[in-house]
Amino acid sequence: DARVTQTPRHKVTEMGQEVTMRCQPILGHNTVFWYRQTMMQGLELLAYFRNRAPLDDSGMPKDRFSAEMPDATLATLKIQPSEPRDSAVYFCASETGGSGNTIYFGEGSWLTVV
Amino acid sequence: GQNIDQPTEMTATEGAIVQINCTYQTSGFNGLFWYQQHAGEAPTFLSYNVLDGLEEKGRFSSFLSRSKGYSYLLLKELQMKDSASYLCAPNSGAGSYQLTFGKGTKLSVIP
Repeated sequence: DARVTQTPRHKVTEMGQEVTMRCQPILGHNTVFWYRQTMMQGLELLAYFRNRAPLDDSGMPKDRFSAEMPDATLATLKIQPSEPRDSAVYFCASETGGSGNTIYFGEGSWLTVV
Repeated sequence: GQNIDQPTEMTATEGAIVQINCTYQTSGFNGLFWYQQHAGEAPTFLSYNVLDGLEEKGRFSSFLSRSKGYSYLLLKELQMKDSASYLCAPNSGAGSYQLTFGKGTKLSVIP
């Protein structure tokens, strides 16, 4: 049963610390997304990659967030330094590319910054 | 820009029918998705409409009117496990990166 895998599932960290979230997309999916979900804003697109190339990260605060895809099986989202307002659920998702394709979400990384 | 409007919360009785509405305004349009999200879990795909009309899939149906910028999700024979948030997501372009999610409608199914 193919699925998107994310680690860690839960993370509590102190303000100012670096946080790295990892994602393994479904094998064969060439498009990878990072979303953030909060009660106030709902589900927001932070960045996405196609064939490992970053195509849009306009939804991401550039001063502290960075997203990379070192290889086809790994995507990372890093926050440095973290702030309490970064507390949210971060979802990685992947799809095969193209219009109308279903996006498959990972189970999310629940981040709490205290 | 994108604007998506759906009710924040709804309550319905087990066995009943419920309709969750979504209105949207997007700079372009290339289909609309509905996703289901149980509390503490990831969103999962329910339906995708590109053309006007009703698409039926078991107990769930989704309707689209592109001219009115309107869609609804119809859930029949409600079960307790249908208690979840339902996210409307119009696609404003040719790629899924242009998918914008609404804040979701939290549906509570009561006995």
